[in-house]
Amino acid sequence: EAGVAQSPRYKIIEKRQSVAFWCNPISGHATLYWYQQILGQGPKLLIQFQNNGVVDDSQLPKDRFSAERLKGVDSTLKIQPAKLEDSAVYLCASSPTGSVGNTGELFFGEGSRLTVL
Amino acid sequence: AQRVTQPEKLLSVFKGAPVELKCNYSYSGSPELFWYVQYSRQRLQLLLRHISRESIKGFTADLNKGETSFHLKKPFAQEEDSAMYYCALVRGNGGSQGNLIFGKGTKLSVKP
Repeated sequence: EAGVAQSPRYKIIEKRQSVAFWCNPISGHATLYWYQQILGQGPKLLIQFQNNGVVDDSQLPKDRFSAERLKGVDSTLKIQPAKLEDSAVYLCASSPTGSVGNTGELFFGEGSRLTVL
Repeated sequence: AQRVTQPEKLLSVFKGAPVELKCNYSYSGSPELFWYVQYSRQRLQLLLRHISRESIKGFTADLNKGETSFHLKKPFAQEEDSAMYYCALVRGNGGSQGNLIFGKGTKLSVKP
């Protein structure tokens, strides 16, 4: 079974520029998550989708971050304008419906590493 | 507030020595806790879950509600255990609505 796919793997931009990351979850997984992992920290949830609806975006900095999952499959995370503190690895994960509370298993992609200069 | 604390950034042991990676949590109610692992150049993946009371790759973790801890243990460390280990707690209502809160992680280094 193919895993969670993310692109690009690496991106370097200057502050105030914009960037977009793409994620394709495992086929059939209804729940999709975007996590931000700053160097030396654990992953921090930005947004959670159930199909194409938002379940939790309480920690998403909405003045500059946006995310969508229009058809309930792949998703895009955008940052505009980027700040220096946005330098991090952006992890996408997916899970089958109803699994987190039962199994705790999220399937992670390899991540997209963003450097803001 | 729901929180996961891993007090050690780095733990270094020799091969064959016992290992204990510490995890403390803050949660009102019955917590659901997990350990995730990330080996070098691999994806973050689930290692074990407290509810299963299972042993994976020789690792076990016991939930201690009195001490609000979920420490990861292995009696004899192997070099291939070297990795980043993250303790995680389910936030929210669980099921399809839940998501995971992660600790900052502990890097385990097993020396030959």
